[in-house]
Amino acid sequence: TQLLEQSPQFLSIQEGENLTVYCNSSSVFSSLQWYRQEPGEGPVLLVTVVTGGEVKKLKRLTFQFGDARKDSSLHITAAQPGDTGLYLCAGLGGSNYKLTFGKGTLLTVNP
Amino acid sequence: GAGVSQSPRYKVAKRGQDVALRCDPISGHVSLFWYQQALGQGPEFLTYFQNEAQLDKSGLPSDRFFAERPEGSVSTLKIQRTQQEDSAVYLCASSFTGVDGYTFGSGTRLTVV
Repeated sequence: TQLLEQSPQFLSIQEGENLTVYCNSSSVFSSLQWYRQEPGEGPVLLVTVVTGGEVKKLKRLTFQFGDARKDSSLHITAAQPGDTGLYLCAGLGGSNYKLTFGKGTLLTVNP
Repeated sequence: GAGVSQSPRYKVAKRGQDVALRCDPISGHVSLFWYQQALGQGPEFLTYFQNEAQLDKSGLPSDRFFAERPEGSVSTLKIQRTQQEDSAVYLCASSFTGVDGYTFGSGTRLTVV
């Protein structure tokens, strides 16, 4: 069974601060996806990373895939209240369709 | 449609009642997935369809859970004789292939009382 551990589980920060959340596994994934989920809604895809060592930027969000394709991080610069939500990482493993999700990091950005 | 549509948004069922949850995926999306999300947890895989074929049902928790997609578009997840532990949000997702990102619906929140 492939497991993804996310840390921290909860994070409450002030507007303007920077933060990093982590997604770790002992398993290798062919690709890794990050989603953001707001209360009462389904997860929304932010990015897919495929190559070990890959870095992708989406405005103030920077995503990195580990060299060994076992871990990933999400860094947010100058967080805003609109960034509040549950951040989920999800990995594609041996199958080419089944996503394994972490438990998520619940981020609250206070104005 | 523009997105994945799920209905109902909320369902309260008495223990032992049967329920049916509907998913209308994005038109043309070949792959359809059902996930279960318990409170405070990430989504967990239930089942996968490619067109009308159910290729993986390994995540269904028991034989009380049944899913179908008879014409390769709309899918229904049926839960028979609901139990309290079935209370969760049931998410449907679709994608054009299996390897690109999923588009999720808003989910159906099932509460079994």
